[in-house]
Amino acid sequence: GESVGLHLPTLSVQEGDNSIINCAYSNSASDYFIWYKQESGKGPQFIIDIRSNMDKRQGQRVTVLLNKTVKHLSLQIAATQPGDSAVYFCAENIVGRLAFGKGNQVVVIP
Amino acid sequence: GAGVSQTPSNKVTEKGKYVELRCDPISGHTALYWYRQSLGQGPEFLIYFQGTGAADDSGLPNDRFFAVRPEGSVSTLKIQRTERGDSAVYLCASSSGTSGRSRNEQFFGPGTRLTVL
Repeated sequence: GESVGLHLPTLSVQEGDNSIINCAYSNSASDYFIWYKQESGKGPQFIIDIRSNMDKRQGQRVTVLLNKTVKHLSLQIAATQPGDSAVYFCAENIVGRLAFGKGNQVVVIP
Repeated sequence: GAGVSQTPSNKVTEKGKYVELRCDPISGHTALYWYRQSLGQGPEFLIYFQGTGAADDSGLPNDRFFAVRPEGSVSTLKIQRTERGDSAVYLCASSSGTSGRSRNEQFFGPGTRLTVL
């Protein structure tokens, strides 16, 4: 099928290395942010979230950093695996609806 | 357990025709969302239901688009007089939360790929 990642910024990373994906958001009133992973032909899958009163949150192999001063989010993936190859979107929660940023494609090189 | 399901997975139609896209949310989820995703873009919000009522339909692009959720579970997105620009993947998501709550994880279905010829 068609690739969701067509024409997207692409990060190529060696298997086992760490990946960092960045995202700028627009609304300073947003109180909740989420990172989603989307594989080709599938819907977005929740990875990790963070509230605006935090600046860092860790999950399994993933860490999200929030810098409200410059309205910037990042997702760090430790020890990247082939299964991490996908398009990654950040989203901000605006009164219940999600506003998605432009995606970043991650390609893991075995 | 079962996730969000959407039918059909693919729909090809001709310009000017009417289409219906169906979403079955996770059982017990009161909130349901429709998004549209064009190639290479992130999902774009269309409409949000809390129970049976549309709590926010500000994302619907024009009056050709309409959605219902008559019993507070299954939802149908209806598009009249389809245009080629309507071609996209239509995603449905559901959550157990309510609008305004900070933590409101949305679970997405696989989407319906609509192609208007």
